[in-house]
Amino acid sequence: EVQLVESGGGLVQPGRSLRLSCAASGFTIDDYAMHWVRQAPGKGLEWVSGMSRKSGSIDYADSVKGRFTMSRDKAKNSLFLEMNNLRIEDTASYHCARGGSNWHHYFDPWGQGTQVIVSS
Amino acid sequence: SYVLTQPPSVSVAPGQTARITCGGNNIGSRSVHWYQQKPGQAPVVVVYDDTDRPSGIPERFSGSNSGNTATLTISRVEAGDEADYSCQVWDSSSDHFVFGTGTKVTVL
Repeated sequence: EVQLVESGGGLVQPGRSLRLSCAASGFTIDDYAMHWVRQAPGKGLEWVSGMSRKSGSIDYADSVKGRFTMSRDKAKNSLFLEMNNLRIEDTASYHCARGGSNWHHYFDPWGQGTQVIVSS
Repeated sequence: SYVLTQPPSVSVAPGQTARITCGGNNIGSRSVHWYQQKPGQAPVVVVYDDTDRPSGIPERFSGSNSGNTATLTISRVEAGDEADYSCQVWDSSSDHFVFGTGTKVTVL
């Protein structure tokens, strides 16, 4: 079964850091583009970052560029999102999602998400 | 940046048809994907590339896309269709992904 499971969320103060993980099973992550998507309370979905398959080139939404870093560990078949200098507006549920062989492919499946709360 | 606009809510009686719109500048020239998200659950794609349905998604879910509006249509609505629905496109100018504002479908 293809599955994505996120972890690492929690309560953190503004300006601090947090590292999210996404464990994949049922497929190999570097055969697909992979993404992080977040949803703030009462808001719509927002694409955060994505990594292309094979080459692993990475792009970020303007709202997180320079603060968030996406990476992967092929041996662990896992994705990571290092979030630095967190802001209150980064409070959201963070989902990882599988893309396709092409960068612009739709996302399927998604993980259940891990909650990040940035508050003093 | 590219913006996708959806109505905040749509209400429909069981057995009737729900239509959820997604407005964007010349969206008809882009491929639109639709996601369903129930409370506490992961989003699930219900329509991709404007009109295609993944395996396991009922035929009651269909999509169309033309001009400045894409539409997700849910026929013969059931109580289990109550969820949030979001449209998504890839924006070639930024090479980023854009989601709509989301629509909550309520089954009366």
